[in-house]
Amino acid sequence: DTAVSQTPKYLVTQMGNDKSIKCEQNLGHDTMYWYKQDSKKFLKIMFSYNNKELIINETVPNRFSPKSPDKAHLNLHINSLELGDSAVYFCASTPGAGGVTEAFFGQGTRLTVV
Amino acid sequence: GENVEQHPSTLSVQEGDSAVIKCTYSDSASNYFPWYKQELGKRPQLIIDIRSNVGEKKDQRIAVTLNKTAKHFSLHITETQPEDSAVYFCAASMSTDKLIFGTGTRLQVFP
Repeated sequence: DTAVSQTPKYLVTQMGNDKSIKCEQNLGHDTMYWYKQDSKKFLKIMFSYNNKELIINETVPNRFSPKSPDKAHLNLHINSLELGDSAVYFCASTPGAGGVTEAFFGQGTRLTVV
Repeated sequence: GENVEQHPSTLSVQEGDSAVIKCTYSDSASNYFPWYKQELGKRPQLIIDIRSNVGEKKDQRIAVTLNKTAKHFSLHITETQPEDSAVYFCAASMSTDKLIFGTGTRLQVFP
């Protein structure tokens, strides 16, 4: 039973398109994140939501818009895709704010912009 | 904000040897230091973590040490095996839950 699941696993799209990646966790966690892993394997935080509220918004182009319909879901919508957006995007979750514990990652979405 | 540096970027060892990966962090308020292992094409997974009130923690062949004064922490893997080959990430965090990762170390264990 997958704890953090992302869809799709692979996404190939043309420049200029708009695409979404979905994430769901069944752990009952309060906090969810999006991380971007580039070709050099650097893991950079993009956004964090706690109970549907945005708490971290790193320096990310405003073409990226996260949406959390409820605390179990955090989706990422990307407008006007660019070649540099190609990366693996990981969703993650932790139990909540006010203490740090293990982050559980989804399997990743490999986005390729051509 | 927090900044985490990790060295080396690549590490090759012979099976049975030890491997050490080192990280430094910038924010003295950080109090949680996990290590993640990412196998090729897979998700990062926690292998060990340490909190700021502890100087060392061990779990079988894996150990982590923390020097709060110097803002250093290290991962030690003893008796390495080929299945230890992966990318390892250190991270640092304060109680705000914002995990900042190091740049990763690609460990290769040769049989």
